[in-house]
Amino acid sequence: AQSVTQLDSQVPVFEEAPVELRCNYSSSVSVYLFWYVQYPNQGLQLLLKYLSGSTLVKGINGFEAEFNKSQTSFHLRKPSVHISDTAEYFCAVSDSRPGGYNKLIFGAGTRLAVHP
Amino acid sequence: GAVVSQHPSRVICKSGTSVKIECRSLDFQATTMFWYRQFPKKSLMLMATSNEGSKATYEQGVEKDKFLINHASLTLSTLTVTSAHPEDSSFYICSAMTRGRAKNIQYFGAGTRLSVL
Repeated sequence: AQSVTQLDSQVPVFEEAPVELRCNYSSSVSVYLFWYVQYPNQGLQLLLKYLSGSTLVKGINGFEAEFNKSQTSFHLRKPSVHISDTAEYFCAVSDSRPGGYNKLIFGAGTRLAVHP
Repeated sequence: GAVVSQHPSRVICKSGTSVKIECRSLDFQATTMFWYRQFPKKSLMLMATSNEGSKATYEQGVEKDKFLINHASLTLSTLTVTSAHPEDSSFYICSAMTRGRAKNIQYFGAGTRLSVL
């Protein structure tokens, strides 16, 4: 079984400042890792994913994340945030084994609030 | 590409009525669709997984007779909330996935806000 912990429920930051949203996971098998963003009253949009290969993953809207297997982390970063980045961010994990069950396990979410 | 359409976006109904929510993959064939429920300021809770042409697999604690799921084609899954009550009010989100595309990525619909009076 897998689990995901997002260490911060809320992250306030000023516009143009850098931000890091933290995510740690627990799993007994190999995993895929994802970050999704949710704007108010909307579904989830995929920001980026780690499936294999390079541990530094670049996504949309200037976001990137680094997979650290030894620390079981997948933190999301952006060097300079905009007001429009204000949203809820979810880290998620799924089983990556061939034929494995592809259920996504979500963290509790981190509310990013960008202030002018 | 990878667009998932969910309809309606918002529905208000009276207690005791049934509500159907549709989830369509517009530009790909979805071998698997997922239905989630999201409570205010909370994460997504997986309700069930449906594979085209077979019965849905429900998560523990989700009532099968309350939340009927049908995945009749590779582009359409429906969730019917039967005899809805105020405690069923929530935000319901579907997602779709195909094994032939981008390694099991789930693409999400925009969600349906259900309010039961």
